Amino acid sequence: GEDVEQSLFLSVREGDSSVINCTYTDSSSTYLYWYKQEPGAGLQLLTYIFSNMDMKQDQRLTVLLNKKDKHLSLRIADTQTGDSAIYFCAEKYDSSNTGKLIFGQGTTLQVKP
Amino acid sequence: GAVVSQHPSWVICKSGTSVKIECRSLDFQATTMFWYRQFPKQSLMLMATSNEGSKATYEQGVEKDKFLINHASLTLSTLTVTSAHPEDSSFYICSASKGIGNNYGYTFGSGTRLTVV
Repeated sequence: GEDVEQSLFLSVREGDSSVINCTYTDSSSTYLYWYKQEPGAGLQLLTYIFSNMDMKQDQRLTVLLNKKDKHLSLRIADTQTGDSAIYFCAEKYDSSNTGKLIFGQGTTLQVKP
Repeated sequence: GAVVSQHPSWVICKSGTSVKIECRSLDFQATTMFWYRQFPKQSLMLMATSNEGSKATYEQGVEKDKFLINHASLTLSTLTVTSAHPEDSSFYICSASKGIGNNYGYTFGSGTRLTVV
């Protein structure tokens, strides 16, 4: 079955780079997403990458995709205290043709001043 | 940009009562809506997928008579938790999409915190 795995916690100092990793199992996934969730709030789309891309950069965010290893990462440059949140990776589960997303467990990013 | 409004943000209800949560797409037509449940410090668990004008498709283990989903229009889907019990207390989030093909994108509501006492 489909599965998405993430490390649960990451702590960095303000100004450093953060790298959040994710692995997935469905090789037919066409889109992979990164969402940010702040306490008590819904999910905010940060970025996404199409499966035929290796890298996508958007301001401070860089997404790397290794399709062979089914590994996705999100790098946040110059991490700020406002980046403290839970980050979810998700894959679009195309095998089911329902458009549903499969989420990882979420990585809590703690940014220390 | 696409905006999804979810109401209420939080609700406290007594055991045995029913609670309705609304999810509205404000500036686009949502062909497909998804309902998720999230326990504290855990991931989102998909409960069901609904397409406008048809019955919702529930994930395995989700009681369809317990969690009633209605998607009567292209801008509104509702989730009704019937005969709520304390174990139904959770954070419920909806997501709306213009379609499932290619990448129409998914817009999430801000969530509803349900507490059953």
